[in-house]
Amino acid sequence: DGGITQSPKYLFRKEGQNVTLSCEQNLNHDAMYWYRQDPGQGLRLIYYSQIVNDFQKGDIAEGYSVSREKKESFPLTVTSAQKNPTAFYLCASSIRDTRLGELFFGEGSRLTVL
Amino acid sequence: QKEVEQNSGPLSVPEGAIASLNCTYSDRVSQSFFWYRQYSGKSPELIMSIYSNGDKEDGRFTAQLNKASQYVSLLIRDSQPSDSATYLCAGLPLGFGNEKLTFGTGTRLTIIP
Repeated sequence: DGGITQSPKYLFRKEGQNVTLSCEQNLNHDAMYWYRQDPGQGLRLIYYSQIVNDFQKGDIAEGYSVSREKKESFPLTVTSAQKNPTAFYLCASSIRDTRLGELFFGEGSRLTVL
Repeated sequence: QKEVEQNSGPLSVPEGAIASLNCTYSDRVSQSFFWYRQYSGKSPELIMSIYSNGDKEDGRFTAQLNKASQYVSLLIRDSQPSDSATYLCAGLPLGFGNEKLTFGTGTRLTIIP
């Protein structure tokens, strides 16, 4: 079955540590996205990529980094520079330029900083 | 005004009744709108999209868009306990890709058996 796989589902990190969240999709989608969700707030875009080897900052990119070396993969690194990293992180993908607004989400990764 | 605003709820509706979820928006996102359903602890999934003024029906769900009043709503008929979830409204301006999707904070809906 096609879909988006995020790992790990739960992650605990000590302050000052970098952590990388994995996102893999087999939907053959060109575009991939990382969102952050906090209680009482809407989804906020961290980074997005519309094509391999290219990515753009979203609204809250500070303290995060990404890579897009393969179409299927879009990992997110939460660096120690991110001041408040505890959140629910969602990876999504979509067909580029068509069916706008239709995002397919992974199951999410919940990061807790101790 | 936030770009997309929703009443956070919780909204409680008896089983079998109509649940009405509302969303207002600013001019910046005034084109296409989408409703996502998110079960507790899970990821969102798209359930309805609407692009023009009026109503769009899909099974028990009806999306309504009123551009003059800048609101969009989702009606759920014959509400079931399985409809209990948070519903996210999202808007997308004309001419932009999904990176410009703006999400509301969501309305938590509880269907009471």
